[in-house]
Amino acid sequence: GENVEQHPSTLSVQEGDSAVIKCTYSDSASNYFPWYKQELGKGPQLIIDIRSNVGEKKDQRIAVTLNKTAKHFSLHITETQPEDSAVYFCAATYSGGGADGLTFGKGTHLIIQP
Amino acid sequence: DTEVTQTPKHLVMGMTNKKSLKCEQHMGHRAMYWYKQKAKKPPELMFVYSYEKLSINESVPSRFSPECPNSSLLNLHLHALQPEDSALYLCASSRMGPQREAFFGQGTRLTVV
Repeated sequence: GENVEQHPSTLSVQEGDSAVIKCTYSDSASNYFPWYKQELGKGPQLIIDIRSNVGEKKDQRIAVTLNKTAKHFSLHITETQPEDSAVYFCAATYSGGGADGLTFGKGTHLIIQP
Repeated sequence: DTEVTQTPKHLVMGMTNKKSLKCEQHMGHRAMYWYKQKAKKPPELMFVYSYEKLSINESVPSRFSPECPNSSLLNLHLHALQPEDSALYLCASSRMGPQREAFFGQGTRLTVV
């Protein structure tokens, strides 16, 4: 089955600086890689995703990059703000004709220092 | 609307009780999921329903019994749980096929006493 490694487990950055979270996956069949933000007491919220036919995707201050050869994908947050503080999870799955669940990384606790 | 609604938000139950968790979505999604999340851990897949039929069971103990009465509703029936089953239970839904964005509910915080 799929195995997703995520680093770092905790990341503290100054407000306004950039944050980078990295993930690796094991199953070369995986082709869909979402990122979720989870605030305390809430369910995970999808913030951005990328498919294996794309190398990079951007949405305002958030970007995700994918290196299929190395089986790496990363989340980049620029100009961090206090409301970015949360736990971030990367995930991977094979997205074909059916429905398969997501395999999540262990999570990164992002702390934005004022 | 990307809302998945779970009820109740909190549940405390004894080890001999029977209870049910409910999940509802109105996005027309035909795939629905149950995940379990322990404190400071990632969500772990329990069950997947595709077109109202159980398609994946991740070797979950039989004291957890899922049910999908129609395309908008997903239930998780609980019976004879153990204290170690205390966790946040998350429901999610998605379209079938390549457009697989999954949307999660707020979860039910379950405590087994």
